[in-house]
Amino acid sequence: LAKTTQPISMDSYEGQEVNITCSHNNIATNDYITWYQQFPSQGPRFIIQGYKTKVTNEVASLFIPADRKSSTLSLPRVSLSDTAVYYCLVGDINDYKLSFGAGTTVTVRA
Amino acid sequence: DTGVSQNPRHKITKRGQNVTFRCDPISEHNRLYWYRQTLGQGPEFLTYFQNEAQLEKSRLLSDRFSAERPKGSFSTLEIQRTEQGDSAMYLCASSLSSSYNSPLHFGNGTRLTVT
Repeated sequence: LAKTTQPISMDSYEGQEVNITCSHNNIATNDYITWYQQFPSQGPRFIIQGYKTKVTNEVASLFIPADRKSSTLSLPRVSLSDTAVYYCLVGDINDYKLSFGAGTTVTVRA
Repeated sequence: DTGVSQNPRHKITKRGQNVTFRCDPISEHNRLYWYRQTLGQGPEFLTYFQNEAQLEKSRLLSDRFSAERPKGSFSTLEIQRTEQGDSAMYLCASSLSSSYNSPLHFGNGTRLTVT
């Protein structure tokens, strides 16, 4: 299982872009990169998934450089409701023991 | 898609009692997972089912823990002789095995408090 490293916390203000970088130096060829968001007293919620280059959906963008040893989750124009813990996971479809780590606590202030 | 449902949402029990949690996955999902989450930590893997077969159990799952998924539908997680260290949020997730990397869909968990 590829180990990931991400910042413990990040602070931002409403309307700003938040970029969270996750390091995964030991990523394997078959591994995908998946990000989840978790609010207090709720289960994690899937945000975005990618394999290489850039992926964008209605919520976020995911940037993956050519060497795939890191990835950056970009949250455009955050609001107070984006305050949550964000987890970066790396693994393939057979990785049923995905490791969440401690995640990054993002706090958005008015 | 009604999402993953977990019951109860909260459970308070006295040390030594047995508790059972239920998880109803998304209907077409054949994979089901149980995780445990303590305050300030990310979810930790406990066990995994592919249809009705339990394929993996974490070392975190002591002999007091048992999980079942009869007929590959809902799942139950039972904890016998609960201890205060069992206090945590127990999360269930499901996914669909396919040729692409299907993400996990989580329920909102059962919060267990052992007094």
